[in-house]
Amino acid sequence: KAGVTQTPRYLIKTRGQQVTLSCSPISGHRSVSWYQQTPGQGLQFLFEYFSETQRNKGNFPGRFSGRQFSNSRSEMNVSTLELGDSALYLCASSAGVTGELFFGEGSRLTVL
Amino acid sequence: QKEVEQDPGPLSVPEGAIVSLNCTYSNSAFQYFMWYRQYSRKGPELLMYTYSSGNKEDGRFTAQVDKSSKYISLFIRDSQPSDSATYLCAMSIYFGNEKLTFGTGTRLTIIP
Repeated sequence: KAGVTQTPRYLIKTRGQQVTLSCSPISGHRSVSWYQQTPGQGLQFLFEYFSETQRNKGNFPGRFSGRQFSNSRSEMNVSTLELGDSALYLCASSAGVTGELFFGEGSRLTVL
Repeated sequence: QKEVEQDPGPLSVPEGAIVSLNCTYSNSAFQYFMWYRQYSRKGPELLMYTYSSGNKEDGRFTAQVDKSSKYISLFIRDSQPSDSATYLCAMSIYFGNEKLTFGTGTRLTIIP
């Protein structure tokens, strides 16, 4: 069974640009969550989607948005990038019944 | 102050030693407690989860929760070089909640 796939793995952007990250969950998983990981703050919850609906949201500004498609694939978008947005963005999928999150390897974003 | 505090380390111990990793938390609503392991350039993977106070053992790993002190621990017996990774504690308010609150992680190195 394929794991969670995130693309791209690495990307470099400049301040003010926007970025879109993609996540393909494990087959059969309908929940997709996004986390931001930085050395100082650790993993912080961004949002969670289930059946194309945002079910939960963390404390991030509106520049961070996401969506989920009918095939459970998800994208997150960050607009008007700031230097502080440099981080590893992790996607996780879950089946819901076990409570376990399965993480991808992440997309490492560098903002210059 | 963060909801979950975790000593970032780094922590280096010789092979075969017992390792103790700890987290404290401030939100008494947390009911489910997890430990994730993250290897370099990989996403976190679930090691163990426990509910409420008590101990749970799985092979060389023991998770301990003391809700009265808001303190959780992970013990690794007979540590191996393959245990070298960053260990993250995580907590949630209810089972199956994809919104987890993580500690910043402790980087552990097992010296052969």
